[in-house]
Amino acid sequence: EDQVTQSPEALRLQEGESSSLNCSYTVSGLRGLFWYRQDPGKGPEFLFTLYSAGEEKEKERLKATLTKKESFLHITAPKPEDSATYLCAVQATGGFKTIFGAGTRLFVKA
Amino acid sequence: NAGVTQTPKFRVLKTGQSMTLLCAQDMNHEYMYWYRQDPGMGLRLIHYSVGEGTTAKGEVPDGYNVSRLKKQNFLLGLESAAPSQTSVYFCASSLAGRNTDTQYFGPGTRLTVL
Repeated sequence: EDQVTQSPEALRLQEGESSSLNCSYTVSGLRGLFWYRQDPGKGPEFLFTLYSAGEEKEKERLKATLTKKESFLHITAPKPEDSATYLCAVQATGGFKTIFGAGTRLFVKA
Repeated sequence: NAGVTQTPKFRVLKTGQSMTLLCAQDMNHEYMYWYRQDPGMGLRLIHYSVGEGTTAKGEVPDGYNVSRLKKQNFLLGLESAAPSQTSVYFCASSLAGRNTDTQYFGPGTRLTVL
């Protein structure tokens, strides 16, 4: 069964304290792995799509990496405005269904 | 360009009442989706549509119906609401073709069933 597990559930950082969020997945065949950001009371906002192991993508202070079993979202020198819930999702080959993880709530304190 | 919009933003229903949630997108996307989001759980797919006039069941379709009469609109109906359907509902859309992956989400509808 396709599954996505994110850890930790919540992460509290001081401003400037770099860290990583983990997304472990099992899927019959990976079509793509996605990272979204979700602010309270809003819909998820697309960040990255990764397609194959070894791929990396960056956007400002965020960097996403992918292996055959997991993905990491690295946050370098975070700022309070990076506080949000980060969602990981996978899409299997041959289908339209996207499986989401429960998310990691990130709190960055000034 | 409004992207994906949802109406209403909030709704309170009594058990057994019916309602329709409306999703509209102005990006000319072929694919549209309805998800629900519950505390501690990931977004779960209810129904989806790959084009005007077509719909398909997702992971948790029971108790819901959908219609896609126009390309830009995707309606989610609850015929007889139950407390278990209390949730936040999100609509999303994406392009057809190779890059079907990137889904653009609406702001959500918070539904409470008493």
